[in-house]
Amino acid sequence: DTEVTQTPKHLVMGMTNKKSLKCEQHMGHRAMYWYKQKAKKPPELMFVYSYEKLSINESVPSRFSPECPNSSLLNLHLHALQPEDSALYLCASSHPLSGIGNEQFFGPGTRLTVL
Amino acid sequence: QQQVKQSPQSLIVQKGGISIINCAYENTAFDYFPWYQQFPGKGPALLIAIRPDVSEKKEGRFTISFNKSAKQFSLHIMDSQPGDSATYFCAASEVGSGTYKYIFGTGTRLKVLA
Repeated sequence: DTEVTQTPKHLVMGMTNKKSLKCEQHMGHRAMYWYKQKAKKPPELMFVYSYEKLSINESVPSRFSPECPNSSLLNLHLHALQPEDSALYLCASSHPLSGIGNEQFFGPGTRLTVL
Repeated sequence: QQQVKQSPQSLIVQKGGISIINCAYENTAFDYFPWYQQFPGKGPALLIAIRPDVSEKKEGRFTISFNKSAKQFSLHIMDSQPGDSATYFCAASEVGSGTYKYIFGTGTRLKVLA
């Protein structure tokens, strides 16, 4: 299995809702990432987990809460979001000890709309 | 110093032509340079990547040229096809530091005319 899967594909939520995004990989990768991507912009790093521990938090607002329950799963819990948080949320994974480099493999993303 | 500058912002090429996208960086600690292709509504897909110890890497119609002294690298798409129409991002990373962070370029929207 050489892919990163994300669910749901689309999500519409109100500003008072609580929802979660899910990401899964079965490539044995031990680094997992959350990115946010606005239209016509590059992906913007939010969080990095390495060996199930949070290693990077790019000063993301607390209304975004990541969780890494095991080496294959990554969640992003959403609460009290703002309309400007509407974006494509991408998950990626990589093998931190790759002999070539840090190849990050991206999932298809969750298109989030906050009303 | 952490920026990666990418040009052009958009590119129109005739079918069968060569598409060239350029990136430049300042941080000499960068040691891994991937290129990603992204179709609308999809996640970025790794196309090809290079380390600074080689000046060129070719995979099918895609070639990375790397100039370490100029701190520049470029993607060449030979025999461009309409199916290559997508947004391309270059990136740079310090693998040796173990930070796992990519610094992305701003992207190039390529359109290949049939």
